[in-house]
Parts: sequence; C-alpha cells; structure tokens
Amino acid sequence: KAGVTQTPRYLIKTRGQQVTLSCSPISGHRSVSWYQQTPGQGLQFLFEYFSETQRNKGNFPGRFSGRQFSNSRSEMNVSTLELGDSALYLCASSSPGTSGGHEQFFGPGTRLTVL
Amino acid sequence: AQSVTQPDIHITVSEGASLELRCNYSYGATPYLFWYVQSPGQGLQLLLKYFSGDTLVQGIKGFEAEFKRSQSSFNLRKPSVHWSDAAEYFCAVGRISSGSARQLTFGSGTQLTVLP
Repeated sequence: KAGVTQTPRYLIKTRGQQVTLSCSPISGHRSVSWYQQTPGQGLQFLFEYFSETQRNKGNFPGRFSGRQFSNSRSEMNVSTLELGDSALYLCASSSPGTSGGHEQFFGPGTRLTVL
Repeated sequence: AQSVTQPDIHITVSEGASLELRCNYSYGATPYLFWYVQSPGQGLQLLLKYFSGDTLVQGIKGFEAEFKRSQSSFNLRKPSVHWSDAAEYFCAVGRISSGSARQLTFGSGTQLTVLP
C-alpha cells in the first residue's frame, strides 16, 4: 500500500503571497490531519478533516485553511504569507472506526520557505 | 489541556549501549500514547503506541516503551543502540474526542546522537 504523499516537497515563496499544499492519504483512509513543524514551536496541530468536514482546528490564524475532497485528498492554504510561516508542513492520515484507527501515518512533509 | 514533556533535549550514547528516552504527559483521561522517530528531512515514523492493556509495548526496530499511569510517564527504551538509530524522537499524546476527531500533541523532541 502506498504511503501518504505530499506535494510539492519544497516550496519557496515571498511575503504576502499565498500557497497551496496537497496531501494524498493512504488508500482507504478518510481522516487527514495537518501539522506545522518549526524549530521554535515544534510540532503543532493545524486541523483535521474527515469525510470532507473539518472536525478539529488548532490555534492558528484564519490565514491557514484547508479542505478535503470526496476522494479524501486534502489541501491546505496559507494566505498572506509571513516569514514565520516558514516550516515543514506534515500531513497525516488515519482510518477512524477501524482497529488501528487511532494511528496516524505521516507523509514526508512540504518544506515551505518564505523570503 | 493535554501536554507532553520530554525533559532531555539531546542525548548521546555509544553504539551498543542501552537507551532510555523520557516522556511525561498530562491528560485528563486514559491517554493514547505514541512514540515517533524523525530522520533529517523526513516525516515521522511510528515506533510504537499504547492504547490500553499490557503496559509494556513492543515496537519496531527493537524499541519498547512502558506506560506508568502513577508517574504519567511513557518512556522509550532500547537495550542496544545502533548507529542508524541516530535521529529525533517525539513522544505524543492523542486526543480522541467524539466523532473520532483526532489531535496529537507532541513533546519538543529528543535528539539522539550515537557515537561509534
């Protein structure tokens, strides 16, 4: 079974621009979560989507948004980029309702650099 | 609110030596606990997990962890470290709320260096 894939792997943007990151979960997984990883703040939860609905949201400004499609693929968008948005963005998928449903499987991440 | 503390930012051990990485959590109910490992430039790989039952859990790559409710701890151990174990290790507690919503809270990580 293919793992979680994230595209692109690397991205360079300038302040004020917006960016869209994509995540394809493991086949059959319907939950997708997003995390931001920075040296200063560590790993922080952004939001979770399940069956195209946002179930849970972390403490991030409204510039951070996401969505999930009917095939469970997810995108996250960051508008009006700031230098502090430079981070590794990790996507994780899981399969709620199954015996291993509490496990989250992570993708390789998208490294976003804001100049 | 849930929280995870990894008191050791950096640990150095010699290859073949034993290893213990500490993790303390704060959570209002029975926790779901995880250990992940991250190599440079990579995502997170799940080493092991605790949901319920036997408090000593076995994971991949020869790792094990013991859940101690009285100490709110979930320490990771390995009897003999290999050079390939050098990486950053994260302890996490999972909040599973109604509707199966999921949110992991991570510790700040422990960087492991292995000396030859």
